[in-house]
Amino acid sequence: NAGVTQTPKFRILKIGQSMTLQCTQDMNHNYMYWYRQDPGMGLKLIYYSVGAGITDKGEVPNGYNVSRSTTEDFPLRLELAAPSQTSVYFCASITEGPNTGELFFGEGSRLTVL
Amino acid sequence: GDSVTQMEGPVTLSEEAFLTINCTYTATGYPSLFWYVQYPGEGLQLLLKATKADDKGSNKGFEATYRKETTSFHLEKGSVQVSDSAVYFCALREINFGNEKLTFGTGTRLTIIP
Repeated sequence: NAGVTQTPKFRILKIGQSMTLQCTQDMNHNYMYWYRQDPGMGLKLIYYSVGAGITDKGEVPNGYNVSRSTTEDFPLRLELAAPSQTSVYFCASITEGPNTGELFFGEGSRLTVL
Repeated sequence: GDSVTQMEGPVTLSEEAFLTINCTYTATGYPSLFWYVQYPGEGLQLLLKATKADDKGSNKGFEATYRKETTSFHLEKGSVQVSDSAVYFCALREINFGNEKLTFGTGTRLTIIP
């Protein structure tokens, strides 16, 4: 089982460049999330989606955009990269129902903006 | 709003020592509580969970009990191993009016020395 797959695993960007982090899950989960994890810090929610065609902002959405055209895919776009966006990015999806709620995480994408 | 407060790290213990990582929460309703673990270079993965008061979650020798009266979900292990070295995150999940909210603590880095 693939679970949640993120690409690329590593990327170095110059200030002002754009890029898309890809995220795909094969578990038919409706809920998907993008988090960033700064060194020594916890997770901060960037954007989330409750189903295809529906997205919403999290705690730290500025500088990012998302789309959700299919249940499987939830790409995260950085339009004008800034050094403050240097971080590790995690995509996750979640099982649903009142007594589940286990998040499945991708392996992470380490982004450096120079 | 919802919040999770974790014991600050880093925590360094000798092998076979007893481990406690404190976690307390604030929530408006009746959340589910989780501990996630992040091994070096990997994404987060679920360690254990509890969905209602007095439930005890357990896995790989770790345990945590959902204490509503003290709003706590402390992680314990009787005898830690070097392989337990990782970052541990406490989290809560609450569903209000169909909206799902996940909140993570800042993480506690645990290092076990032989």
